[in-house]
Amino acid sequence: EVVLTQSPGTLSVSPGERATLSCRASQSVDSSFVAWYQQKPGQAPRLLIYAASSRATGIPDRFRGSGLETDFTLTISRVEPEDFAVYYCQQYGYSPEMYTFGQGTKLEIK
Amino acid sequence: EVQLLESGGGLVQPGGALRLSCVVSGFTFSNYAFNWVRQAPGKGLEWVAHVGGGGVNTDYADFVKGRFTISRDNSKNTLYLQMHSLRAEDSAVYYCAKDGFADNGVWDFFDYWGQGTLVTVSS
Repeated sequence: EVVLTQSPGTLSVSPGERATLSCRASQSVDSSFVAWYQQKPGQAPRLLIYAASSRATGIPDRFRGSGLETDFTLTISRVEPEDFAVYYCQQYGYSPEMYTFGQGTKLEIK
Repeated sequence: EVQLLESGGGLVQPGGALRLSCVVSGFTFSNYAFNWVRQAPGKGLEWVAHVGGGGVNTDYADFVKGRFTISRDNSKNTLYLQMHSLRAEDSAVYYCAKDGFADNGVWDFFDYWGQGTLVTVSS
């Protein structure tokens, strides 16, 4: 079973700054099957990125996903006030055993 | 507009049962697999169950196997989660979530989510 470890647990940035969120897998994963979600308090998660680097419909281009094998990154180029939230990475794939989420990174205002 | 609306959550005693529903609109329901994902208070996301578009193929996380049953009624655009033998650790917000792509042979990412329904297991 692949374990996804996200870091840091909490990231403090100021609006307009760049934010870099990491998701590390315990073993190599197919980059075709990595997604990122944003969740604000009291709301459902929202899909941001799938297949490691494809933006979901309506997601601003300041959100960028990248990575290969065991190291995946979500970068927010210039953080907007509405971006402060918790972010989760996810692995999916050719079997249900591949459904795993990272523990989340909280992006907070500095 | 894609909409997913869960219902059926509530307070139940340990060992009890509950059925969650998720009514879907805005696309061809039967073309997509669906999932239940849960989130305990203050915790992260946890995949629970998956059902294919036809309703025949189902998968479960180990911690709910034998206790939960996922099903769907394509004539009613509705997804269900029947939960039995509930435990305190099953307390969570339960979300229904749609697979991203139709019939691609992949246990897929989740592109649309409902707002969630809260299940509390307590005496």
